[in-house]
Amino acid sequence: GIQVEQSPPDLILQEGANSTLRCNFSDSVNNLQWFHQNPWGQLINLFYIPSGTKQNGRLSATTVATERYSLLYISSSQTTDSGVYFCAVESITGGSYIPTFGRGTSLIVHP
Amino acid sequence: GAVVSQHPSRVICKSGTSVKIECRSLDFQATTMFWYRQFPKQSLMLMATSNEGSKATYEQGVEKDKFLINHASLTLSTLTVTSAHPEDSSFYICSAEDGDHYGYTFGSGTRLTVV
Repeated sequence: GIQVEQSPPDLILQEGANSTLRCNFSDSVNNLQWFHQNPWGQLINLFYIPSGTKQNGRLSATTVATERYSLLYISSSQTTDSGVYFCAVESITGGSYIPTFGRGTSLIVHP
Repeated sequence: GAVVSQHPSRVICKSGTSVKIECRSLDFQATTMFWYRQFPKQSLMLMATSNEGSKATYEQGVEKDKFLINHASLTLSTLTVTSAHPEDSSFYICSAEDGDHYGYTFGSGTRLTVV
């Protein structure tokens, strides 16, 4: 099946710092999403971004489908940004769309 | 936006009993729902794909007789953990695609503890 690799696995920032999270995938995908899992386990959809660039406030994401990677940018980080960021891709397996998650990047933002 | 409601959020049960977890799409119809399991500090592992009106498709290594999935309507899928054991303790999350194919929306998860 498709492989999804995220880097870095762990990241510690001081409040106000910027960061870039990366997601590499091994095959063509139909869909790519970035999620933030908060400390209570809730997965929040950040971006649906199979290609191109999107921005939402302090967050932005870029997917270069032809080169099989996506980047999530966090600017002016806040303590509420702490949590785990997952990249999930969707590929076709046997005619069905199957979502596959990376292992996540665990972010801690210190005040 | 699309909302997926999952209940209960937490459950503690005795070893040997069964637990049912519900996943509802509140404002859209979901022909397909997904059930995931997540261990502490790990990623989400897909357990099964739930299809409305037909049998679920289980991932390799997932016991279908232990994790019963029913998708009886376009807005409800249930996961029943049968004869639960302590090793079944985990965080279970469902998700659904909103049909317009703008990605997946997740329920808030169920933390199961088997004692």
